[in-house]
Amino acid sequence: AQSVSQHNHHVILSEAASLELGCNYSYGGTVNLFWYVQYPGQHLQLLLKYFSGDPLVKGIKGFEAEFIKSKFSFNLRKPSVQWSDTAEYFCAVNAHSGTYKYIFGTGTRLKVLA
Amino acid sequence: DGGITQSPKYLFRKEGQNVTLSCEQNLNHDAMYWYRQDPGQGLRLIYYSQIVNDFQKGDIAEGYSVSREKKESFPLTVTSAQKNPTAFYLCASTQSGGSFYEQYFGPGTRLTVT
Repeated sequence: AQSVSQHNHHVILSEAASLELGCNYSYGGTVNLFWYVQYPGQHLQLLLKYFSGDPLVKGIKGFEAEFIKSKFSFNLRKPSVQWSDTAEYFCAVNAHSGTYKYIFGTGTRLKVLA
Repeated sequence: DGGITQSPKYLFRKEGQNVTLSCEQNLNHDAMYWYRQDPGQGLRLIYYSQIVNDFQKGDIAEGYSVSREKKESFPLTVTSAQKNPTAFYLCASTQSGGSFYEQYFGPGTRLTVT
């Protein structure tokens, strides 16, 4: 069965620190990969996505993620976090298996201290 | 504005009662989804529908039922058979072609059953 692992459940950083959130998935075939963010009191929204091509993808608000196929990973990065990045971050995978299912990780709660 | 509407935002029910959560979208999306979000467990798929009059069980369908009579509507009923119904419920949709598009999420309904 497909699964997504986010190993960092809670992360606390000071403003201007660098961020890297891990995401690993289990599926041997072709996948689409997503990072979503849920700011306090707001809808889940898309940060960035990978479908094909350049494995380094850039998203909104200065976030980027790198798809490393050999490691089944899609880690999220930001060079310098801001207080406004405080949110919960979810990695998600959709396999090219003819299904419309999206599998989500358990999420990482990020708190940025001003 | 296009988007997904979920109502109500908060819902309270007594144990043993069925309750129906509303989800409406005006994005002209074919596929719709229901997730349950619990702290530390991420988003877990309850049901999804790829087209009108068709739906599939997700990973935690027991105690839930859905219908898809119209493209824009995908109501979820939490039945009395659901053993732990108190949770935050999210509805989502995606364009046809399924796996190549990101999901759009509604604001969610927080259900409390006592």
